[in-house]
Amino acid sequence: EAQVTQNPRYLITVTGKKLTVTCSQNMNHEYMSWYRQDPGLGLRQIYYSMNVEVTDKGDVPEGYKVSRKEKRNFPLILESPSPNQTSLYFCASTRSDSQIQYFGPGTRLTVT
Amino acid sequence: GEDVEQSLFLSVREGDSSVINCTYTDSSSTYLYWYKQEPGAGLQLLTYIFSNMDMKQDQRLTVLLNKKDKHLSLRIADTQTGDSAIYFCAERPRGSTLGRLYFGRGTQLTVWP
Repeated sequence: EAQVTQNPRYLITVTGKKLTVTCSQNMNHEYMSWYRQDPGLGLRQIYYSMNVEVTDKGDVPEGYKVSRKEKRNFPLILESPSPNQTSLYFCASTRSDSQIQYFGPGTRLTVT
Repeated sequence: GEDVEQSLFLSVREGDSSVINCTYTDSSSTYLYWYKQEPGAGLQLLTYIFSNMDMKQDQRLTVLLNKKDKHLSLRIADTQTGDSAIYFCAERPRGSTLGRLYFGRGTQLTVWP
């Protein structure tokens, strides 16, 4: 089944404790993105990647890092999480010749 | 960044038509999209329209694009309770990569039986 998977789905952590949210797609898509969704603000793009080793900042990259060492994986790294990074995070992927962006199920992160 | 605006809430009665509106700022946007998010789920692409089109119809969904006013609308005919969800408008500006989309804040559609 074609899908985008994220892990973990739920995470509660404390300020300053490094964490990684994984994203994986099995569709051989070139493009992958990370978004955060906050009430009243909609979706805002954090980072995106056009292919392996090619990444660029979105609208709200501060406090986040990404890497794209393999085509299928696009992890989101929070080196020192803070409470303002409490949010619902979505990973998405797209094939280079398609307009359809496939979204993962989301990761709800709480930073206390 | 780009600015995509939507009203936050819409309530309709089952069987009526729903119209969700969106305005965007980049007149050179190439593609405009409508996504649906059901409670507790990720986003699902409903439909999209290329900027050289004025209208696109897909079963109960009709998308209208007014490039002059930079206005996009999604009409859902015969709205059902299963259509209750958050609907997001998104644009892809000209010159941006495929993975670079700008989303509105979402419109919460509530359908009353």
